Amino acid sequence: GAVVSQHPSRVICKSGTSVKIECRSLDFQATTMFWYRQFPKQSLMLMATSNEGSKATYEQGVEKDKFLINHASLTLSTLTVTSAHPEDSSFYICSARDDVAGGVDGTDTQYFGPGTRLTVL
Amino acid sequence: GQNIDQPTEMTATEGAIVQINCTYQTSGFNGLFWYQQHAGEAPTFLSYNVLDGLEEKGRFSSFLSRSKGYSYLLLKELQMKDSASYLCAVYTDSWGKLQFGAGTQVVVTP
Repeated sequence: GAVVSQHPSRVICKSGTSVKIECRSLDFQATTMFWYRQFPKQSLMLMATSNEGSKATYEQGVEKDKFLINHASLTLSTLTVTSAHPEDSSFYICSARDDVAGGVDGTDTQYFGPGTRLTVL
Repeated sequence: GQNIDQPTEMTATEGAIVQINCTYQTSGFNGLFWYQQHAGEAPTFLSYNVLDGLEEKGRFSSFLSRSKGYSYLLLKELQMKDSASYLCAVYTDSWGKLQFGAGTQVVVTP
């Protein structure tokens, strides 16, 4: 089946530092990837749509200068949280959409990475 | 705006059946997904409906009525491992943008 990896799985950093999170589609190509944020006991909130070879599209209220997204290849997107603060502590999850119509399992589904737990002290 | 509603929590006993309802009002509709999410983990795909009707997949079934903006996920023969959050999500455009409901926490008791 389709696999999406994220690295790191967990990161703890000091306030003011930048953190980079990688999202990779391992066995399929993904022109489009998505970044979500999830706070405890809440649902996933879409932050931005990452498109290979072009600028990301950010959802309303998400600061593009704070959350830098780079989609350099068909299998890799990165999210950099710049100058992280404690309120940025959250579970960050990426998903990738299979470029092949129907996807691996015959549906037009997105495949989620395992998530990255960010804690900013 | 986008509005996707589902109950916050449901409790059922092992072996029973539980139905999780989801109603949606979105600016676009290109399909509806159900995902299962255990605490601290990423969502895993359960089902996808784009046409009206029932989709059955083992112990899980999902129903969609586009005219009513309504879907449900039916979990049969509940097992303890089914205790998780179940997320209803709508594809709101053709590029794959998903809007999620807040999730329904299902608690399975012995």
